[in-house]
Amino acid sequence: DAGVIQSPRHEVTEMGQEVTLRCKPISGHDYLFWYRQTMMRGLELLIYFNNNVPIDDSGMPEDRFSAKMPNASFSTLKIQPSEPRDSAVYFCASRNRLKNTEAFFGQGTRLTVV
Amino acid sequence: SQQGEEDPQALSIQEGENATMNCSYKTSINNLQWYRQNSGRGLVHLILIRSNEREKHSGRLRVTLDTSKKSSSLLITASRAADTASYFCATDTREGSNYKLTFGKGTLLTVNP
Repeated sequence: DAGVIQSPRHEVTEMGQEVTLRCKPISGHDYLFWYRQTMMRGLELLIYFNNNVPIDDSGMPEDRFSAKMPNASFSTLKIQPSEPRDSAVYFCASRNRLKNTEAFFGQGTRLTVV
Repeated sequence: SQQGEEDPQALSIQEGENATMNCSYKTSINNLQWYRQNSGRGLVHLILIRSNEREKHSGRLRVTLDTSKKSSSLLITASRAADTASYFCATDTREGSNYKLTFGKGTLLTVNP
């Protein structure tokens, strides 16, 4: 398996624009997590899915953020409209909790909002 | 929200020395995991310790867990320059029939040659 795949790796956008981050989890994994990493706040859990169903989105900063998982092999995190304070590295991770509980991370998307 | 808090935030040692990082958490856990992150990369799983275990070893890594104090420590023995990275603890906690994985802010370890 190629591991968790995120795209794009880097994104630079202007304030007010819509940004969509993409994630392909490892096949057979039932959990998918979205995290945001900044120097100030560390690695924050934004939302997680179990079998494509959103379970806990209490970490989503505000209504500008939304996440979907239309099927087991794809998830998106959308920010609309984007703001400079959204600049961070966004990670997607997946796991098969019954099999090995550890999470496998993608390489992240570095988002810069100017 | 964040469950774990690592201590110290940064640690600088000489090659060959041991490095100890600590993690404290707030709520009951199923297991606690440690991850490593090299600069600019994703996190990689190192070791997992279950809530009914007190100590676990893997190569040069030793993890302890004290559920009464809600704390864990990661010891890296005979450190190498290649161990330079950020280290995170993560807690696996139950939410109803689901399981959430949350991370601390990490410890930046620098091993000087």
